[in-house]
Amino acid sequence: SYVLTQPPSASVAPGETARITCGGNNIGGKSVHWYQQRPGQAPVLVIYYDGDRPSGIPERFSGSNSGNTATLTISRVEAGDEADYYCQVWDVSSDHGLFGGGTKLTVL
Amino acid sequence: QVHLVQSGPELKKPGSSMRVSCKASGGTITSGISWVRQAPGQGLEWMGGIIPIFEVANNAQKFQDRVTITADESTGTAYLELSSLTSEDSAVYYCARSRSRQGRPDRYFDSWGQGTLVTVSS
Repeated sequence: SYVLTQPPSASVAPGETARITCGGNNIGGKSVHWYQQRPGQAPVLVIYYDGDRPSGIPERFSGSNSGNTATLTISRVEAGDEADYYCQVWDVSSDHGLFGGGTKLTVL
Repeated sequence: QVHLVQSGPELKKPGSSMRVSCKASGGTITSGISWVRQAPGQGLEWMGGIIPIFEVANNAQKFQDRVTITADESTGTAYLELSSLTSEDSAVYYCARSRSRQGRPDRYFDSWGQGTLVTVSS
């Protein structure tokens, strides 16, 4: 079955750029969606279809997807961006959803 | 954006069943509802989903024999039932509305319920 691999943790200083990766075999051929989950809260969609932002999500959040790696980029990181981030794809062959293991972003 | 409100926390005995509801307001669940769970300190796990107009659920292999997902489009409510509970089923259970771009089969989750904590303990 398809596997999505995320680094367990990442850290960045305020004002810098955070890049969170999601690896998968030829993931560039799939659509990748990203969710932010703050402690004790439900996940929130921040990027869909690789790079689209839902309304209300700051332009600081962007995404890309190519080859075997999809990337969520957060520019000008703020303290409020500290959260767990999950990538997600849809396995079309089985019609199932699939999440990566999540990356905990720490703002130093 | 649709607002999804889930039923309250539950304490269950091992071997029993659970049922969680998810009611939509300010929008519809016509495009689909999935259930996702999160064990303590763990990541998100997709359990299954349903598109109400088709009335057929699609469940993850791991839960195939124990999970029942239903939806009532007229009331905008979806349900998750999980049977034969063990302590490993203790988790927060989320409903999430699934969407897809027109003509595309792949789906994402644009609105989430607040989560329902289910604790399985004797």
